[in-house]
Amino acid sequence: RKEVEQDPGPFNVPEGATVAFNCTYSNSASQSFFWYRQDCRKEPKLLMSVYSSGNEDGRFTAQLNRASQYISLLIRDSKLSDSATYLCVVNRDSNYQLIWGAGTKLIIKP
Amino acid sequence: GAVVSQHPSRVICKSGTSVKIECRSLDFQATTMFWYRQFPKQSLMLMATSNEGSKATYEQGVEKDKFLINHASLTLSTLTVTSAHPEDSSFYICSAAVGSGGSSDTDTQYFGPGTRLTVL
Repeated sequence: RKEVEQDPGPFNVPEGATVAFNCTYSNSASQSFFWYRQDCRKEPKLLMSVYSSGNEDGRFTAQLNRASQYISLLIRDSKLSDSATYLCVVNRDSNYQLIWGAGTKLIIKP
Repeated sequence: GAVVSQHPSRVICKSGTSVKIECRSLDFQATTMFWYRQFPKQSLMLMATSNEGSKATYEQGVEKDKFLINHASLTLSTLTVTSAHPEDSSFYICSAAVGSGGSSDTDTQYFGPGTRLTVL
């Protein structure tokens, strides 16, 4: 089993719709969780950290479910510019080492 | 925000040659830098963790003699792919961690733009 698993997609979503995807992780000792966004052939950029209480940043909401060991990302009122690959990232330990999911590709259509 | 640069952005070389990739933190000091490799349609794979002034820690399956890492200063880490072969062709990305550890914001890594290596 991979340490971090994501549905690769692609998710084809009409503009304005709400889309959500999950990511599961296997290491129950993981403490830090992140969503990164990666555009084609570019470096990944931090979208948001995921806190135990969940967090919201504009149209984006991230949730953590420790019992079931998954994190989720919800995008409301999707824009064409949201088209990208969303990477779920989990820390391995306190030494910053991050384990990356393979990413979920999102395509927003007009 | 923190900026990380990589040089070169793209390199094409012949099989058997060595290629050096530089990773620099431009406006901050990074005690820890990471090197990742990304093959098409796959996630980033951590190759090694580089701490300034000490030997790099390599992930299982990554040959330390083939991928030489030097972290000589708090702002520079280099990755040298020795005797490159076509299967080494990949996108190599470095990142730098900010802070001294212990708080959530120090988990943030800032990524370089990546280096695309093509070995003929």
